[in-house]
This record gives sequence, C-alpha cells and structure tokens, in this order.
Amino acid sequence: AQTVTQSQPEMSVQEAETVTLSCTYDTSESDYYLFWYKQPPSRQMILVIRQEAYKQQNATENRFSVNFQKAAKSFSLKISDSQLGDAAMYFCAYRSEGGSEKLVFGKGTKLTVNP
Amino acid sequence: SAVISQKPSRDICQRGTSLTIQCQVDSQVTMMFWYRQQPGQSLTLIATANQGSEATYESGFVIDKFPISRPNLTFSTLTVSNMSPEDSSIYLCSVGTGPNSPLHFGNGTRLTVT
Repeated sequence: AQTVTQSQPEMSVQEAETVTLSCTYDTSESDYYLFWYKQPPSRQMILVIRQEAYKQQNATENRFSVNFQKAAKSFSLKISDSQLGDAAMYFCAYRSEGGSEKLVFGKGTKLTVNP
Repeated sequence: SAVISQKPSRDICQRGTSLTIQCQVDSQVTMMFWYRQQPGQSLTLIATANQGSEATYESGFVIDKFPISRPNLTFSTLTVSNMSPEDSSIYLCSVGTGPNSPLHFGNGTRLTVT
C-alpha cells in the first residue's frame, strides 16, 4: 500500500518570503499522480497543484511550484511571495494511475504566515 | 470542475443516534468517495460509493456503521450509525471527474457527538 509522509507538522513564514513544504511517499508503482491540497479554516479542500509522475518537468501554478524527485520519491511544495491568505493546512496526496481515483493523504503541515 | 453541495454543514448529535449526510453534484461523475477527518488529523478514506451497487469499504470501516447509498451518478449519502463521541469528525464527500482529473471536495460536515 502507498504511504505519504509529511515530516513538518508546522511551518511559519514571513509575508512576501518563500517557504518549502516537504513530502515523501512510498510506492512500487511507476505511474501515479501527486497533489498538494490546501485546507483553510473553512475546511474546504482546495487543489493547489498536481504532478504527473511521467512528466519530468516540475509543475508550477503562479506562486506555487513543486520539486518532484521521482527516484527519491520526494514531492516538495514551494510557495513564493507568501501572502496572508496562504495560511492553511497543506496536505500532500498520492493517487495511482488508472483504476480507482481515491487519494492517500499525508498528515498535513500547518502553515502560518506572519505579517 | 464539479460543484458539490454537502448537507448538513454541521450538526451536534446525541450518543446512540444516527446522522445521514447528503452529497449532491451538479454533474454526473464516475467516482464518489467519503472521507473522515478526525480533529487535527489528516483525511482517511471511508469508502468508495458505487452507483447501483454496494459501496467498497476501506480497512477499519464497515457497512453497519457507515451505510452508504448512491442511487444515481449525482447523489450519495453517508450515514453514521449508533454514534459515539469518537465519531466526532469532519466528513467530506469528494468526486472524481475522470482518470486525469483531480478529486473535488465538498465543504464537509462537522459532526459533534455528545
């Protein structure tokens, strides 16, 4: 079974600075998807960014980018120019390619943005 | 992306009672899932709601405790039965719109059992 590990229960960053959230995963599969979801206090799960394992190029979405290291099974999220609205729980998630679309989540990282 | 309406948004229930949570999607979707998020914890998959057949439950979850219905491709319900304080959690409905699309989530139901 696949597992996802987020080793940072909490992180903090100053507004306008850059922060990186870590995620590692364990799988024997070669094709899969990786996601970062954001959960603000409203508890709505919001997709931040996704990465297909077959793509070597790291995904980017505006201020959000990932560092995907397939051999190391690492998938970190970099948030640039941090904003107060970025404060939330961030969950890393894994999904197998094909078959069920269910996600396996890490335990999450609580990000605080200081003004 | 799919728009998901989940009801109720929150409820406070007494021990021993049951609560049914509804999930309505604005379009037909192939996959619907129910997740539980215990206080301060991550999301754990309860089951996959299958249209027209019995739900597929994950290890540690059973149909008697969490009966699920999915009468069509846009609607599902999750019942939390014979509740105890340990069932106090956020329950989230999520849907998959295709193999290359991410899961979309409802706003969740915050359940408190007293």
